Amino acid sequence: QPVLTQAPSASASLGASVKLTCTLSSGHSSYAIAWHQQQPEKGPRYLMKLYNDGSHNKGDGIPDRFSGSSSGAERYLTISSLQSEDEADYYCQTWATGVWVFGGGTKLTVL
Amino acid sequence: EVQVVESGGGLVQPGGSLRLSCAASGFTFSRFWMTWVRQAPGKGLEWVANIKEDGSEKYYVDSVKGRFTISRDNTKNSLYLQMHSLRAEDTAAYYCARAYSGAYFDYWGQGALVTVSS
Repeated sequence: QPVLTQAPSASASLGASVKLTCTLSSGHSSYAIAWHQQQPEKGPRYLMKLYNDGSHNKGDGIPDRFSGSSSGAERYLTISSLQSEDEADYYCQTWATGVWVFGGGTKLTVL
Repeated sequence: EVQVVESGGGLVQPGGSLRLSCAASGFTFSRFWMTWVRQAPGKGLEWVANIKEDGSEKYYVDSVKGRFTISRDNTKNSLYLQMHSLRAEDTAAYYCARAYSGAYFDYWGQGALVTVSS
């Protein structure tokens, strides 16, 4: 089954951009993933589905500041013009027959 | 507006049972896979169980197989998670979510807290 690897933490300044990475395990580099955001004390929120060619389908109401891209086994989430409310945990998620998998999550701090 | 709302959480003793419910609205419930995901205190998200649109296929994470049962009632737009033989490590917020095409989770609830403790 696929395994997703994320850095545990990231930080960037208010108004700047940040690029978060999710790495698919060997043999699963063609898999699509989804990105989810979880703000403190809230339930997760779907951001987008991201394909291996970099195309993505965003969820309802997700601002243009959020975008996705791909390179090989890496899937990226870029957040531009960082705002204080972007401080959150970000999880990638993928799926295979009979199994659904999350990465460990990246805690984003907005400085 | 798509909404999923969990209920039924609470405090239960080790070895006990609990049933979570999830009420769905704003979409044709019977056309979507549904899922349960949990999050232990201070930890990341963990997929727990999925169920196909008509209930004919069900999948579970290994740690809950034989103890948890996912089910749905399409006439009531409701999803359920029956939990037996609960352990301290089952303590978590449990989230209901819609699984688009049985793949990714595109609408989430606010969570129901389950605490297993004596």
